[in-house]
Amino acid sequence: GAVVSQHPSWVICKSGTSVKIECRSLDFQATTMFWYRQFPKQSLMLMATSNEGSKATYEQGVEKDKFLINHASLTLSTLTVTSAHPEDSSFYICSARGTAGGPDTQYFGPGTRLTVL
Amino acid sequence: RKEVEQDPGPFNVPEGATVAFNCTYSNSASQSFFWYRQDCRKEPKLLMSVYSSGNEDGRFTAQLNRASQYISLLIRDSKLSDSATYLCVVNGGGGGNKLTFGTGTQLKVEL
Repeated sequence: GAVVSQHPSWVICKSGTSVKIECRSLDFQATTMFWYRQFPKQSLMLMATSNEGSKATYEQGVEKDKFLINHASLTLSTLTVTSAHPEDSSFYICSARGTAGGPDTQYFGPGTRLTVL
Repeated sequence: RKEVEQDPGPFNVPEGATVAFNCTYSNSASQSFFWYRQDCRKEPKLLMSVYSSGNEDGRFTAQLNRASQYISLLIRDSKLSDSATYLCVVNGGGGGNKLTFGTGTQLKVEL
């Protein structure tokens, strides 16, 4: 149980385009979803926290107008990278916390590798 | 100072060896602690939670020292399949109920 899926697994796009990444909790309700970014040989960095039905809370230094997050249901959150540029190329990982596991437990999606040309 | 610090390694050990990783955290108000495992180009997966009393899960033992703000992970009888990056993760404290990840310690188990 407690599976989180993420789509797409990888995407290559041209500079200036927008990319949407989906994160779904498959067998539990995710009241909170987290979006992380990981650059090579670096730790996961939290970008934003979203609670179902409310606006996301962004970490310092993360542009909310560039990284649009929607958490419209208890099983789905989306991250849209708008007007992507090569420096946005990274591994984007979502996690979900809710009705599975303990109150601190986050279940991670398999990640989306974004390459912007 | 980083919130969560780990030696990046790599630690190269022979199969069957016992290896230990350490981690320190800066926020004394942190509330819960974890070790995650991350394979190359994959998402992190929870290995075990870390409790003040110490806990063991098969070949893996985790310990927490709140006074020293120090967490450890011991792997006994290491297997080739243990090769991965081990992430020390801290939850809570001044930043709220969020996970803060260390950069990870890379382990390579060799024949």
